[in-house]
This record gives sequence, structure tokens and C-alpha cells, in this order.
Amino acid sequence: DVKVTQSSRYLVKRTGEKVFLECVQDMDHENMFWYRQDPGLGLRLIYFSYDVKMKEKGDIPEGYSVSREKKERFSLILESASTNQTSMYLCASSLLAGGPQNEQFFGPGTRLTVL
Amino acid sequence: QKEVEQNSGPLSVPEGAIASLNCTYSDRVSQSFFWYRQYSGKSPELIMSIYSNGDKEDGRFTAQLNKASQYVSLLIRDSQPSDSATYLCAVTGSGGSNYKLTFGKGTLLTVNP
Repeated sequence: DVKVTQSSRYLVKRTGEKVFLECVQDMDHENMFWYRQDPGLGLRLIYFSYDVKMKEKGDIPEGYSVSREKKERFSLILESASTNQTSMYLCASSLLAGGPQNEQFFGPGTRLTVL
Repeated sequence: QKEVEQNSGPLSVPEGAIASLNCTYSDRVSQSFFWYRQYSGKSPELIMSIYSNGDKEDGRFTAQLNKASQYVSLLIRDSQPSDSATYLCAVTGSGGSNYKLTFGKGTLLTVNP
């Protein structure tokens, strides 16, 4: 079974803090993704990575950056947390592009509250 | 802007009935289609994928795809209270972005005992 893990289930930070969210997958997947999910807005893609050190902006990258130094690990960074970044953050991975290999598998999520 | 539309619900069905969840998508060249189940407070879980026109069955779940109508559906037979969740439809992009998924906002299903 694919396993995607995230470093924290719940996180509380203060405005202006730098926040690191970590995601690890154990299935040698090429692609990794960071989403946020908010009521009424659904899942929105923040960033994704299709290879080590490669990244591409998603639909809402403002206020976020990412790092992928190893294939299995994808980090989301909030440089200066703001209250409007309070959300559920979901990491996902997929094997390859195209066909069955682009099924995405999600981690358990991190519920981040910024005070 | 690629769009995936779902009825937000809630869709309420009695235990043992068939639940029918629908999804339309705007990108005519989308190739892969997925249904995820998400329980309250949990992350999405992949339950079905479909790539060609027609029906695909897996246990109590049947996914149906009609690319000409840009329509994909999920049928849940013999619905159980444990099926109560939000169901997300997801569609791949085309060409170079075919590893990205666009998600609908989900349909909340409630199965009443």
C-alpha cells in the first residue's frame, strides 16, 4: 500500500512565524503535491513537484514556497504565516503522469491554525 | 479555466438504496477520472478510477464515464451508513499537465439507517 505521511496532524502558529510542513511518501513516486482545503472552496493546488529539485506553481502559490531535496520528501514552507493561511493542508503523491499511474494518494492532512 | 462541477448536496438516501453521484467536466481532452471519498476531518481516499467510456464495477461501486457528454458518475449499491461522506470527483488535465488533478467541490452523501 502507498503510504504518505505528514509531520503533524494539528499545528498552531502565530502570525509572522515561518512554518514548515513535511510530507514523506514511501512508494518511490515521481510526483508530489501540496493542496489546501477550505469549506466551500474545495481542494486547491498550491505547488507540485515532478522530480527532485523540480517544482511548479499550482493555482494558489502566493505566500508559499516548497522544497524537494530527496525524492521521497516534499516540504511546504509558509515564509511568514498569516491568518488567511489557516486551513487543512494535504500532501499527495502519484507514480507517473498518464493513465493509472497518475492516481494521487493523500496523506492524513495537517490542520494549521494561525493566530 | 478547467472546471469540474458536482451537486453539493446533501444527498440523502435510505440504507440499502442506490446512491447516484454525478460530475461534469469542462476539458474535453481529459483522459483520467477519479472518485475519492472523504470522511469528515479526514483526507480523501481513492475509491474508483476510470479511463474509458462505459462502466467499471468494483464491489458495490460502479463508475460510469461518457466522454462525449463530458460526464462521469458514481453509483453506490446497497448503501450503508458507513458510506456517509463527501465524494470528490477529480479529472486530469491534458497534454503536459496530465499529472495534475482538478477536483470538484464534492457531494455530501448521507445514508440514513
